Amino acid sequence: DIVLTQSPALAVSLEQRATISCKTSQNVDNYGISYMHWYQQKPGQQPKLLIYEGSNLASGIPARFSGSGSGTDFTLTIDPVEADDIATYYCQQSKDYPWTFGGGTKLELK
Amino acid sequence: QIQLVQSGPELKKPGESLKISCKASGYTFTDYAMQWVKQAPGKGLQYMGWINTQTGKPTYADDFKERFVFSLETSASTAYLQINNLKNEDTATYFCARPKMGSSDYWGQGVMVTVSS
Repeated sequence: DIVLTQSPALAVSLEQRATISCKTSQNVDNYGISYMHWYQQKPGQQPKLLIYEGSNLASGIPARFSGSGSGTDFTLTIDPVEADDIATYYCQQSKDYPWTFGGGTKLELK
Repeated sequence: QIQLVQSGPELKKPGESLKISCKASGYTFTDYAMQWVKQAPGKGLQYMGWINTQTGKPTYADDFKERFVFSLETSASTAYLQINNLKNEDTATYFCARPKMGSSDYWGQGVMVTVSS
């Protein structure tokens, strides 16, 4: 299985930039597409899709969120961070079955 | 609007079985597969597998091949997750989600399952 590694937590100040990383144990690119996706989850809620295929913004997601990276190194950027963005963020790969998630990064206020 | 609405919370004893539902609306049910995701208390997301809504064929991740059953009631646009011989470690929230282009664009609200003697 492909293992996705995220830092457990990240402390940021409001109005600043947050960069959340996700490293995979194998390349998740294929034919120019990165099979990497990002989700936001708040306590007691279901995950919400933010970014699909590495850098594509999901429907209704503000442009403060962006995704980048390729191969085995990916980044979710939130710029600027707003109070409503305090949540846990998960990366997920769909290059190889079974799909796998990272352990999540909890975004906290500094 | 597209919705996945799941059944309510469950409290069960070890060894019992349960079946939770996920009712889809706002789209053609058989146009998309349905997948299931487990989240233990305070933990991350774990992919359980998916079911082909056209053929009914389920595919399970390795950790969920033994006591877990995915099924459908296509006429009701509903997917089911059955867990047999419940164990304490099955205590978790279970989400259904609609896969699209490798991601999951719509999620149910989750069903909290508690297994305790």
